[in-house]
Amino acid sequence: DTEVTQTPKHLVMGMTNKKSLKCEQHMGHRAMYWYKQKAKKPPELMFVYSYEKLSINESVPSRFSPECPNSSLLNLHLHALQPEDSALYLCASSQDVAGGTYEQYFGPGTRLTVT
Amino acid sequence: AQSVSQHNHHVILSEAASLELGCNYSYGGTVNLFWYVQYPGQHLQLLLKYFSGDPLVKGIKGFEAEFIKSKFSFNLRKPSVQWSDTAEYFCAVNARGQNFVFGPGTRLSVLP
Repeated sequence: DTEVTQTPKHLVMGMTNKKSLKCEQHMGHRAMYWYKQKAKKPPELMFVYSYEKLSINESVPSRFSPECPNSSLLNLHLHALQPEDSALYLCASSQDVAGGTYEQYFGPGTRLTVT
Repeated sequence: AQSVSQHNHHVILSEAASLELGCNYSYGGTVNLFWYVQYPGQHLQLLLKYFSGDPLVKGIKGFEAEFIKSKFSFNLRKPSVQWSDTAEYFCAVNARGQNFVFGPGTRLSVLP
């Protein structure tokens, strides 16, 4: 099973709302990632978790708050977002952290619209 | 820091034409190389990868890529494209201690 699942598929939220995106993998991978992808652009790395610890935060605004409850789950908590945060949010996982000989497996993404 | 460039923003081909998408990276050390494909409305899928060994790697759906170390290139090829190959193609690189860096992508449109 090489599947990464994400919920919800679509999310519309106002600028004052609080919502969460969820990601799950059951491949035994120890690294999980959040990416942001704008239309017709490549994915941009936001956060990396390695062995359930946050290892990289690519200068992401604090209105995005990641959480890794266990090795299979990754959440992204959203609060007070701006319309420019509207994008496809992708979760990925790999056997271990970047720099090793591991490919990343991507989920289908959550299409987020901030109104 | 690593960077990845892809030669073409948008490629338009007729079915059965041959395909070559260019990818160059800038990093002097050992790298791992990947091609991902994103079909319309679908998630990123790994087409093929290079870690070491034979520089000509074969992937899924008839795609292959050649790693030329001296040119810092990892071009993607397919001898005969199909309409179903219409998608966005991303080259990606990672090096030891570094995270994935994606190229800007090449949109492929195959005309039936």
